Amino acid sequence: IAGITQAPTSQILAAGRRMTLRCTQDMRHNAMYWYRQDLGLGLRLIHYSNTAGTTGKGEVPDGYSVSRANTDDFPLTLASAVPSQTSVYFCASSDSRGGDYNEQFFGPGTRLTVL
Amino acid sequence: GQNIDQPTEMTATEGAIVQINCTYQTSGFNGLFWYQQHAGEAPTFLSYNVLDGLEEKGRFSSFLSRSKGYSYLLLKELQMKDSASYLCAVMDSNYQLIWGAGTKLIIKP
Repeated sequence: IAGITQAPTSQILAAGRRMTLRCTQDMRHNAMYWYRQDLGLGLRLIHYSNTAGTTGKGEVPDGYSVSRANTDDFPLTLASAVPSQTSVYFCASSDSRGGDYNEQFFGPGTRLTVL
Repeated sequence: GQNIDQPTEMTATEGAIVQINCTYQTSGFNGLFWYQQHAGEAPTFLSYNVLDGLEEKGRFSSFLSRSKGYSYLLLKELQMKDSASYLCAVMDSNYQLIWGAGTKLIIKP
């Protein structure tokens, strides 16, 4: 693996179903993020994790949960999907332990459609 | 509230110069980022400004004025591959990125 991977690439899901989007990075970054991107809107932060074992809520956390059991993995779970969760989901990571700035590196995204 | 404004769409000609503006109002400021995003792909980092002034990196330059809450991205010698969306993002007092909706740049031959 090089960088950040996400799975699946795309998914069509029935409303009410549970879904986990996977994200793995191999850069040993301490911080990881989940964003959703909708047409006409900027990237919106769903949840973040500054280090393994800790998570925090972003701008739009309702209906989503995350866990950070280790440095590399940061899965995002939709407990009961609704059509408004149709979006493109990006996972990102950064090394915020030092340096001048915290450039975020993005995974390729997951395109999710909830019907 | 926090707000990042940038034009929705711009058109420019191959070989020309284009300036994409970004204005912001955020709770705190810990730097401003520009990212490029080609259609259907992930955003990729272009530049970072935390102090006033111009940062030049090849054909791309980025300018910041903190007192005016203003930045621009300048693209020179435009190439067809520069057709993409350009995202402005500000790192706020909580060190979270606040993103603009992006500017779609269309390059014509």
